[in-house]
Amino acid sequence: DAKTTQPNSMESNEEEPVHLPCNHSTISGTDYIHWYRQLPSQGPEYVIHGLTSNVNNRMASLAIAEDRKSSTLILHRATLRDAAVYYCILRPYTGGFKTIFGAGTRLFVKA
Amino acid sequence: DAGVIQSPRHEVTEMGQEVTLRCKPISGHNSLFWYRQTMMRGLELLIYFNNNVPIDDSGMPEDRFSAKMPNASFSTLKIQPSEPRDSAVYFCASSLGDNSNQPQHFGDGTRLSIL
Repeated sequence: DAKTTQPNSMESNEEEPVHLPCNHSTISGTDYIHWYRQLPSQGPEYVIHGLTSNVNNRMASLAIAEDRKSSTLILHRATLRDAAVYYCILRPYTGGFKTIFGAGTRLFVKA
Repeated sequence: DAGVIQSPRHEVTEMGQEVTLRCKPISGHNSLFWYRQTMMRGLELLIYFNNNVPIDDSGMPEDRFSAKMPNASFSTLKIQPSEPRDSAVYFCASSLGDNSNQPQHFGDGTRLSIL
């Protein structure tokens, strides 16, 4: 199964944009890129997903490299509530749900 | 809208006891997932159901673990007998359909401690 690589932690200032990178060099052509985040004492929360094109929603933007070997989750204005662990995962389209959650990136937001 | 509901939120029991975790998926969702999260192993998929049928249980650690989904609105994960190494946070998630274009919605988890 294709895996992802993310930095262990990142830090941001409140009200500033945050770019969370993810490498997935072994991604297959039918793998979707999903991002989830997990706040303390809560279950993971869906953030955004995409296949090839960049995606925007009310929470974030997802920028996908042209070769799809990497992607970046963009939080346009970080708030203290965005402090969480962010997971980048690949979901194979070809049936099954071997979703592998790695260690993720722990985002710290400073006031 | 109600999200995924799990019960109990916390469970503390002695080893050897039977433990039953419960999950109510989001109404209309036909795929249900059970995950386990520990510091050492992170978040692991244990089993998932589609239309109440278990599709992949390869993540279930051993025969002491079993999961059922008797109807579209209820699932259980049972551990019998429980052991201290089963201590973890167990999450249930549901999604609309079992294809990768659908996000999973997670409950708040059951924190299980086996003494």
